[in-house]
Amino acid sequence: DAKTTQPTSMDCAEGRAANLPCNHSTISGNEYVYWYRQIHSQGPQYIIHGLKNNETNEMASLIITEDRKSSTLILPHATLRDTAVYYCIVRVYTFGNEKLTFGTGTRLTIIP
Amino acid sequence: GAGVSQSPRYKVAKRGQDVALRCDPISGHVSLFWYQQALGQGPEFLTYFQNEAQLDKSGLPSDRFFAERPEGSVSTLKIQRTQQEDSAVYLCASSSQGAGGDTQYFGPGTRLTVL
Repeated sequence: DAKTTQPTSMDCAEGRAANLPCNHSTISGNEYVYWYRQIHSQGPQYIIHGLKNNETNEMASLIITEDRKSSTLILPHATLRDTAVYYCIVRVYTFGNEKLTFGTGTRLTIIP
Repeated sequence: GAGVSQSPRYKVAKRGQDVALRCDPISGHVSLFWYQQALGQGPEFLTYFQNEAQLDKSGLPSDRFFAERPEGSVSTLKIQRTQQEDSAVYLCASSSQGAGGDTQYFGPGTRLTVL
């Protein structure tokens, strides 16, 4: 699976949009971009995933650049409960490759 | 419905003791995963089951680590002769189908401290 690069930490004001970048310059054509987050003392939680089109769900939006070498997770109206470590994971969508390979993620702190 | 549950939530062991960590996946989930998370790091894959079959154990760090899922539901991760470097949070996750790409739902983890 392709390697990802994320900033170590970010701050965002409560109520603002939080934009979390991820670089995956070696991504291949059949690899998906996944985002998980981990709130303190909890297990990771799935947020969203996509291949090349932008995706949106009730939690967030995922913007993938046209060349697919980077992406941005957007939390439109950040709340204090969004404080967590956010992991960007690139992974092939095939049987036998179910495991997730986490990096160190971005520690997002929402400021009141 | 109920999510993934793990027990115990906290375990303290003396070096050399054996420990057993339990995972109850979401009912009906075919796939089950174990991950190890050291302090300040992201989770690292240990092993994967599809029903009762252990299809990938490439992440198990040594032969002291053993996992089983005999009836394709509950799973146990056993660590023999624990060492201080085994101290970590052990996370279990399950997903609904065998094919790659399905959402993994994680439990709260078991924090193991080896003294």
